[in-house]
Amino acid sequence: KQEVTQIPAALSVPEGENLVLNCSFTDSAIYNLQWFRQDPGKGLTSLLLIQSSQREQTSGRLNASLDKSSGRSTLYIAASQPGDSATYLCAALQGGSEKLVFGKGTKLTVNP
Amino acid sequence: GAGVSQSPSNKVTEKGKDVELRCDPISGHTALYWYRQSLGQGLEFLIYFQGNSAPDKSGLPSDRFSAERTGGSVSTLTIQRTQQEDSAVYLCASSLVGAVSEQFFGPGTRLTVL
Repeated sequence: KQEVTQIPAALSVPEGENLVLNCSFTDSAIYNLQWFRQDPGKGLTSLLLIQSSQREQTSGRLNASLDKSSGRSTLYIAASQPGDSATYLCAALQGGSEKLVFGKGTKLTVNP
Repeated sequence: GAGVSQSPSNKVTEKGKDVELRCDPISGHTALYWYRQSLGQGLEFLIYFQGNSAPDKSGLPSDRFSAERTGGSVSTLTIQRTQQEDSAVYLCASSLVGAVSEQFFGPGTRLTVL
C-alpha cells in the first residue's frame, strides 16, 4: 500500500528565501507525482505534474524533481513571497490505479 | 473557461438526514473523482468515474455513501443517514482522460453534521 509522507509539517521562512519542500513515497511504481497548493478554506490548485519518465518540471519560481529509485520528490520555491503562504500537498498516482495518494501537506508561512 | 464547480459550498445537517453534494467537472473531462478531507486525516480517495461508470468505488467508507454521474458530466455524491463522523470537506476533481493527466479540483463542499 502506497504511503506518502511530507516533512516538515510546517515551515516558516522570511520573504526572499529559497526553500525546499520534501515528499517521500514508499512504492516506487508510480505513474506520476503531482504537487498542489491549498489556501485556507479553498480547494486544491495544481502546481506541477511530473510523469514517472521525467526528472523535473518547472513553472515560474517553482521547480519539482522526482527520484523514483529513492522514493522522493522535492518542490523548490525560489525567492519566496508572502503570497506563497499556503499548504503544499504532494500526491502519487500508483501504476495501474486511478487513485491519487496524498501526503498530509506542509504548511508554509512566508513572513514579510 | 470554467473550472470544476461544486454545490453547495457549505451544508449543515442533522444527524440521520440524507445529503446530496453536486460536482460539475470541466467540460470535456472524462474522468471525475471524489475525495474527502477531514481534520487530521488528510485527503482520502472516495470514488472514480470514467464517463458514467465507476470502476473504482473502493474508497467509499460505508454503504451509506453512493455516487452517480450522468451524461458523462455532473456527478452527485449522496450520503444517507448522516453521522457526525461524516463531517468533512468533500472535494471533487476532474481530469481529461484519467489520473495520468492532471487533476483539477473544485472548491469543495464543507459538510457539518450536528
